[in-house]
Amino acid sequence: DAKTTQPTSMDCAEGRAANLPCNHSTISGNEYVYWYRQIHSQGPQYIIHGLKNNETNEMASLIITEDRKSSTLILPHATLRDTAVYYCIVRVQGGSEKLVFGKGTKLTVNP
Amino acid sequence: GAVVSQHPSRVICKSGTSVKIECRSLDFQATTMFWYRQFPKKSLMLMATSNEGSKATYEQGVEKDKFLINHASLTLSTLTVTSAHPEDSSFYICSARDLGGSREQYFGPGTRLTVT
Repeated sequence: DAKTTQPTSMDCAEGRAANLPCNHSTISGNEYVYWYRQIHSQGPQYIIHGLKNNETNEMASLIITEDRKSSTLILPHATLRDTAVYYCIVRVQGGSEKLVFGKGTKLTVNP
Repeated sequence: GAVVSQHPSRVICKSGTSVKIECRSLDFQATTMFWYRQFPKKSLMLMATSNEGSKATYEQGVEKDKFLINHASLTLSTLTVTSAHPEDSSFYICSARDLGGSREQYFGPGTRLTVT
């Protein structure tokens, strides 16, 4: 079973920031928080990952709470092409363990 | 980033026939590749872990004789759906784990299988 919980769906206006929450209250000390997204009929795409510090790249920012029990993925200026299912996964970095996908959050960016 | 390809991107076959799907890592080597299946409006479900030079490890409930996996090289894994039935119609996605460098998993674009 997935070790994370996410809202089933969210809406966001184009150009606004999209904030996607994820709860991972049972995360272990050596587990990272990973985010992937899947646009309709495509394979999952890696977005970002982090351990405990906040991270930022060209796609998104990741905010992890101090107790590491939850995190938020931020798309600063959502576009229509960001409409996708977003998956939050906890795992050991580079580990051989399989990725377990939960149901994710279906983000719909509206014009 | 690292690129993983799948071929074909979509295939239609008749019930009772077999279909082979290829997964290739284009710019890195992968001792481990993973095969997922995704039904409409559902999440990805891991079917099996493909190990180069050894037998694949199947998840519970996945028939190894029906879904044949071969990982003959560090850049190629194949999934063969044998004696396909309409209920095997699904979106099949592979991922490959980078042997060096990042050691992360990268996903292919998926293969849409329709069995008529």
